[in-house]
Amino acid sequence: QKEVEQNSGPLSVPEGAIASLNCTYSDRGSQSFFWYRQYSGKSPELIMSIYSNGDKEDGRFTAQLNKASQYVSLLIRDSQPSDSATYLCAALWGKLQFGAGTQVVVTP
Amino acid sequence: SAVISQKPSRDICQRGTSLTIQCQVDSQVTMMFWYRQQPGQSLTLIATANQGSEATYESGFVIDKFPISRPNLTFSTLTVSNMSPEDSSIYLCSVAQGYQETQYFGPGTRLLVL
Repeated sequence: QKEVEQNSGPLSVPEGAIASLNCTYSDRGSQSFFWYRQYSGKSPELIMSIYSNGDKEDGRFTAQLNKASQYVSLLIRDSQPSDSATYLCAALWGKLQFGAGTQVVVTP
Repeated sequence: SAVISQKPSRDICQRGTSLTIQCQVDSQVTMMFWYRQQPGQSLTLIATANQGSEATYESGFVIDKFPISRPNLTFSTLTVSNMSPEDSSIYLCSVAQGYQETQYFGPGTRLLVL
C-alpha cells in the first residue's frame, strides 16, 4: 500500500514567521512530488512540484526532497494571513496519492 | 496550465436521483481524472478517463454507480447514480499536463444529497 503521511495540524504560525510542513511517503518508487494549497470551499491549487533531491525555491515557497529518508517538506517564508489554508502533499505512483493535508493558520 | 471548468458548481439533489457533472478543458489533454473529496477528508481518485477507451475505476468505485464518458480530448462527464446522502461530497475533475504528468484541478462540484 503506497501511502503519504502528513500531520493534520492545525499548524499555527505568527505572521511573518516561517511555516514548516512535512510529508513522508511509503514507497521509493515515486519520482514526482507535489504540494497543493486548498482554501476552504475551493479546489486544490498546485504551488510546487519537485522531482530531484535538494531544494527548490519559488518566491516565498521552498520545497525540499530527501529520497533516502523518504520525506518532502514545504517551507513558507514570511507567512501571511492569506497563506491560511490546507496544504496537501502528493506523490505520483502511476496515480497521484494524496496525504490527508495539513491545516495552516497564520495569526496576525 | 489548462483552464478547467465544471458544471454545475453545486447542486442539492434528492436521494435516488442521478446527477451528471461536466468537465470542460480549454486545451486537448490525454488524461482526465475524477476525484471525490468528502467533508474534512483528502482527495480520493474515482477513475481515470482517457479518450477512446473505457474509464479505469479505483477500488471501491464501480461503473454502474459512477458512469463516465470521455467523448473527446477536451470534455468528460461523471454521473453519480441512484444517489444517497453518503454521496454528498465535492467532485473534482483534473487533467494531467506537462512534465511528470502534473495534475491541475477544476473548481469542483459541491453535491448535497437529501
